[in-house]
Parts: sequence; structure tokens; C-alpha cells
Amino acid sequence: QQQVKQSPQSLIVQKGGISIINCAYENTAFDYFPWYQQFPGKGPALLIAIRPDVSEKKEGRFTISFNKSAKQFSLHIMDSQPGDSATYFCAASIWNQAGTALIFGKGTTLSVSS
Amino acid sequence: DGGITQSPKYLFRKEGQNVTLSCEQNLNHDAMYWYRQDPGQGLRLIYYSQIVNDFQKGDIAEGYSVSREKKESFPLTVTSAQKNPTAFYLCASRLDRGNYGYTFGSGTRLTVV
Repeated sequence: QQQVKQSPQSLIVQKGGISIINCAYENTAFDYFPWYQQFPGKGPALLIAIRPDVSEKKEGRFTISFNKSAKQFSLHIMDSQPGDSATYFCAASIWNQAGTALIFGKGTTLSVSS
Repeated sequence: DGGITQSPKYLFRKEGQNVTLSCEQNLNHDAMYWYRQDPGQGLRLIYYSQIVNDFQKGDIAEGYSVSREKKESFPLTVTSAQKNPTAFYLCASRLDRGNYGYTFGSGTRLTVV
């Protein structure tokens, strides 16, 4: 119930291509779904987040698609660049509920080849 | 500039020793968190604290201890009871109302020698 399942574990994309990372959850009480980007030796940084009242959110080349009925959400990186090579984590939590913390997926290592 | 400072960046521990990882934030955030990161395992929650002098166990609290005596500080002690402590440790904080975004520190890499 508390898990967030992320796939694929690793991804290689050509420069200019689209990178797609998928996540699934079981706990229907989750209502906050962020994506974090992490470079080697650094802490994760918030990339983009979505609440389930919308099905899609776009910020620049990054888009979250959310399917509430399927309990799935995905990150799309358009026009992928070598600088996007990093590890990406999806996460889920209950918005603003005291005593809760983000549950993270296991991460996807993205390599964008030039 | 506001942020979270973790120190040291690298830490080496001998078998049977306790070590303490520092986490300080000047963001005036209410909640603070400790996560452990292992290759292929994602981020697993060790402990978290919503307010001063109160904290809760996460999924993998065994072998770890924390304190929250000040709002700005949330140190993590890795005790000798933690049998596999070699990992990358991340501290995070967030404002406990409105904005739910976490701010992470740069991490401490702990190695048992």
C-alpha cells in the first residue's frame, strides 16, 4: 500500500528524443506526486509536481501525465539533452497531512547520448 | 542564502563505532527528514521530525537515533547496531504548511572501514 513502483531502472535515449519514466502506486489516499532529479554526489532537487485534480502538468520540456483511475503517473522529457543525464525519482504522499513523509520510487538512471 | 548543510561530506567509520551526521537548515522549515540511499534502492526513510523535541521512526530506523533540540538542527547517529551502514545519507526539510516541496542537503557518504 505504501510502495511506489518505478520503471524502467535505466534508460538510454538519443539526444533530441523523448524520455519516459513511469510510476505506479496503490494507496488511493496519496494526492501529491513530485518528481526529483539527482546528479551524482548531490542531493535530489524538485523537478515538477502534480496534484490529482489535473491530468497533466507541463514545465518547459518536462511534463507529468497523471492517470488517477489507473493509479499511474509518468514523467516525459521532451527534446532530451545530455545535461538531462541524471537519476530521476518519483514520489508520493498525502498533501499537508501531519506526520507523513514522501515515499520514493527506486529511481531511473537516464543517459542521454549525444 | 538559505539551504540545508550536511556535514561531513565523507565519513569513515570503524566497526563498532557510533558516528553522528550533522544536518542544519536556515530555511525556517518545520519538518526535517533523514533518508538513506543505496544503489537501486531509492530513498528510504529513517526518521523524521515535525516539531522540536518530537520525532518518528521511518521504515528503516533500526540502528539509528536522532534528536531535535533546535528547529534548525536534526543530527543522525549511526550506532554500532546498524549492521550495514555504508550508504549515502540525505537530510531534507520542508515548511509544514502550504508548500510541500522538500529541500535536500548535498548528502553524507558513510563508509565502514
